[in-house]
Amino acid sequence: QQQVKQSPQSLIVQKGGIPIINCAYENTAFDYFPWYQQFPGKGPALLIAIRPDVSEKKEGRFTISFNKSAKQFSLHIMDSQPGDSATYFCAASEGFQKLVFGTGTRLLVSP
Amino acid sequence: IAGITQAPTSQILAAGRRMTLRCTQDMRHNAMYWYRQDLGLGLRLIHYSNTAGTTGKGEVPDGYSVSRANTDDFPLTLASAVPSQTSVYFCASSDSQMVRRKTEAFFGQGTRLTVV
Repeated sequence: QQQVKQSPQSLIVQKGGIPIINCAYENTAFDYFPWYQQFPGKGPALLIAIRPDVSEKKEGRFTISFNKSAKQFSLHIMDSQPGDSATYFCAASEGFQKLVFGTGTRLLVSP
Repeated sequence: IAGITQAPTSQILAAGRRMTLRCTQDMRHNAMYWYRQDLGLGLRLIHYSNTAGTTGKGEVPDGYSVSRANTDDFPLTLASAVPSQTSVYFCASSDSQMVRRKTEAFFGQGTRLTVV
């Protein structure tokens, strides 16, 4: 049973577009929701994270929107660039341990 | 450079053989994790350790074992490899004692294992 459901599986946008990746969870005990970015041949790296006491967090061109009542959160990438092409994983955890990951979204930003 | 080191980077292994994937961190993090990454399935937790001397089972622990004799090392052993264990394995660590502060899991570069 997938505890964190992520969609879409893949996404293609043009440069400057705003890709949106969505995740949903069931466990209401989750209280930490990070997004990880992974380039080919590399390990995932933390991109941005949010806690359920806020509905939105921005860091540069990356924004997390969080809807606690719907148990959903999403990643928006403003003014996307070809260098943003990567696989993105949402995750969730209870406390600060044992992250549960979504299945990943492969993003391609075309020039 | 501080971080996590995994070895080997890749390996082809005959089915039935024993294999240990090595993981070392120099950040003095208390928690360490092993994940496997498979296309379409994301990253799934195999085993974890909250502190030296303790370990726990993750989502997909069968066929794998771990030990945590000290803070820095967290090896993953496949006692008798099977083709379904073909995957990319990532070791990660975090400082879970940083309560209410930014917490980040740091990942190694991965070990690509093929069991034939």
